Amino acid sequence: GAVVSQHPSWVICKSGTSVKIECRSLDFQATTMFWYRQFPKQSLMLMATSNEGSKATYEQGVEKDKFLINHASLTLSTLTVTSAHPEDSSFYICSARPPTSSGGWGEQFFGPGTRLTVL
Amino acid sequence: GIQVEQSPPDLILQEGANSTLRCNFSDSVNNLQWFHQNPWGQLINLFYIPSGTKQNGRLSATTVATERYSLLYISSSQTTDSGVYFCAVAMQAGFQKLVFGTGTRLLVSP
Repeated sequence: GAVVSQHPSWVICKSGTSVKIECRSLDFQATTMFWYRQFPKQSLMLMATSNEGSKATYEQGVEKDKFLINHASLTLSTLTVTSAHPEDSSFYICSARPPTSSGGWGEQFFGPGTRLTVL
Repeated sequence: GIQVEQSPPDLILQEGANSTLRCNFSDSVNNLQWFHQNPWGQLINLFYIPSGTKQNGRLSATTVATERYSLLYISSSQTTDSGVYFCAVAMQAGFQKLVFGTGTRLLVSP
């Protein structure tokens, strides 16, 4: 299967600072990547769709200015949590999907996640 | 938006037992995936199964798209099967964003 990596695996920061999380597709090019957030003992919630070379599409209720997404290349998307606060503490997971031979949308593969703790 | 419900929410099994996990969705989909989330949070792809039946070792899955449900079968369960199982679906329109189900938390005891 396709491989998606994330960095860092975990990060602890002080309230008010910004944190950048990287998501890379290692063995395929991804024009679209997705960012999810998961709170303890809950399901994954889609935050935004990251599109290479254009602006991200955010889900309802997700603050664009708080969660900045940059998809500058076909293998890298970044999520920056700006002015982080304790309520932003969560598990952030990205995903991407390789192109299919038919040109359609196929299986998504997920990164290992980044655990953010804001003190 | 589409609703995805999984049952049961929690399941405790003895090693060696079989189980069936269910995923119901409220609208037509053309993408359905099953995942196992391990204790470290990594989502492991189990099946990509918009319709039909697939098997992989002790696991198999069936999706009946016309009736809007999917089933995941685990046979001869092992302690390493413990974790949370999610199904996720995507609709035809847009970028096929995956909507995750509520999850089934499985604990297999020795």
